[in-house]
Amino acid sequence: QVQLQESGPGLLKPSETLSLTCTVSGASISESYWSWIRQPAGKGLEWIGRIYIGGNTNYSPSLNSRVTMSQDTSKNQLSLKLSFVTAADTAVYYCVRDVNWSIGFGMDVWGQGTTVIVSS
Amino acid sequence: NVLTQSPGTLSLSRGERATLSCWTSQNVRNSNLAWYQQKPGQAPRLLIYGTSTRATGIPDRFSGSGSGTDFTLTISRLQPEDFAVYYCQQYGSSLVTFGGGTKVEIK
Repeated sequence: QVQLQESGPGLLKPSETLSLTCTVSGASISESYWSWIRQPAGKGLEWIGRIYIGGNTNYSPSLNSRVTMSQDTSKNQLSLKLSFVTAADTAVYYCVRDVNWSIGFGMDVWGQGTTVIVSS
Repeated sequence: NVLTQSPGTLSLSRGERATLSCWTSQNVRNSNLAWYQQKPGQAPRLLIYGTSTRATGIPDRFSGSGSGTDFTLTISRLQPEDFAVYYCQQYGSSLVTFGGGTKVEIK
């Protein structure tokens, strides 16, 4: 059973860097695609980006200049960094497994999410 | 590619049929369209991928259809546990986009 667990500071000040870790169990991060999704309270889902085989990445154009994703295969962990945060970055952040089946794509395993609040 | 979901809120009774729409601003391959369900306080759950394939454990009252720029999620007979928010999602070549969501509420 694949499980994902996000962790990281829950409170940041404006202009700081958000840094989250996703610990994956039950699957190797080297063998799949992994996305980060966020959701402000009461709002919809926003794709931040994904990392996949070889550490390749795709980022949302709206966040591209501030986002860095990486992976530590020795620890089977994924990392998300978002620089220069503002209140607009306040949200629940999800780590997600992104699967390419032969007939379609989908995000089949989600972490429980971690809340990040940006406030001075 | 912008995804527009309609209606924003759907008020129905248990046992009724729910029809949720997702329109995309550009053509989407059938393999690249998915649907998710989200209940309050929970992470989203994959319902449908590849436009019409149910994910593991999803009841057959959920079905997906469509092509091009017009996609539909149908819940044939609403059960109490189906009242939730539903999101469509598309995969581009290097970009993923979600619709704004449809809330299915109890009438």
